[in-house]
Amino acid sequence: KQEVTQIPAALSVPEGENLVLNCSFTDSAIYNLQWFRQDPGKGLTSLLLIQSSQREQTSGRLNASLDKSSGRSTLYIAASQPGDSATYLCAVDNTDKLIFGTGTRLQVFP
Amino acid sequence: DGGITQSPKYLFRKEGQNVTLSCEQNLNHDAMYWYRQDPGQGLRLIYYSQIVNDFQKGDIAEGYSVSREKKESFPLTVTSAQKNPTAFYLCASRPPGQGASGYTFGSGTRLTVV
Repeated sequence: KQEVTQIPAALSVPEGENLVLNCSFTDSAIYNLQWFRQDPGKGLTSLLLIQSSQREQTSGRLNASLDKSSGRSTLYIAASQPGDSATYLCAVDNTDKLIFGTGTRLQVFP
Repeated sequence: DGGITQSPKYLFRKEGQNVTLSCEQNLNHDAMYWYRQDPGQGLRLIYYSQIVNDFQKGDIAEGYSVSREKKESFPLTVTSAQKNPTAFYLCASRPPGQGASGYTFGSGTRLTVV
């Protein structure tokens, strides 16, 4: 059974720092991996999608990498801002459904 | 703009009542999903549907029911058999094709038992 783990569970940093959020999964037979952002009381916003044949994806200050063989993905946030404060969720897609980690709650203070 | 619309945003249920959460999408996606989110836990899959008139149970289907009569709509009914329904419910959809595209989520419905 696929299990997804995210480390750390919470992170509080000053503005301007570069951050790394980690995601690991137990079954490497995935179609893709998707990173989401969730603000309190809101739905999920897709940040990056990495297909199983890809190694990384970039969008603005965000970069996500995927190493299927080791069952790991990292989300790199450059030059963090207070507006980046949210919960970040990693999800893997296999057998036609998304399996989620429990998320990393990020707070960036001025 | 294409997207997923969930309604209502907040819903209150009395003990013993059935309530229905609405999910509508105009993305022309074939597959639709219902997830439940509880504090401190990841999202858990309730039901999903790959095509009209067909749906499958997810990991926590007990106490819930769904229908898929139209491609655009995938309503979720929380029945009185669901013992702990207070949670945040999220609907999602995905286009056909394995891994080609990601999932799109709605803005959620917060259900509270009163």
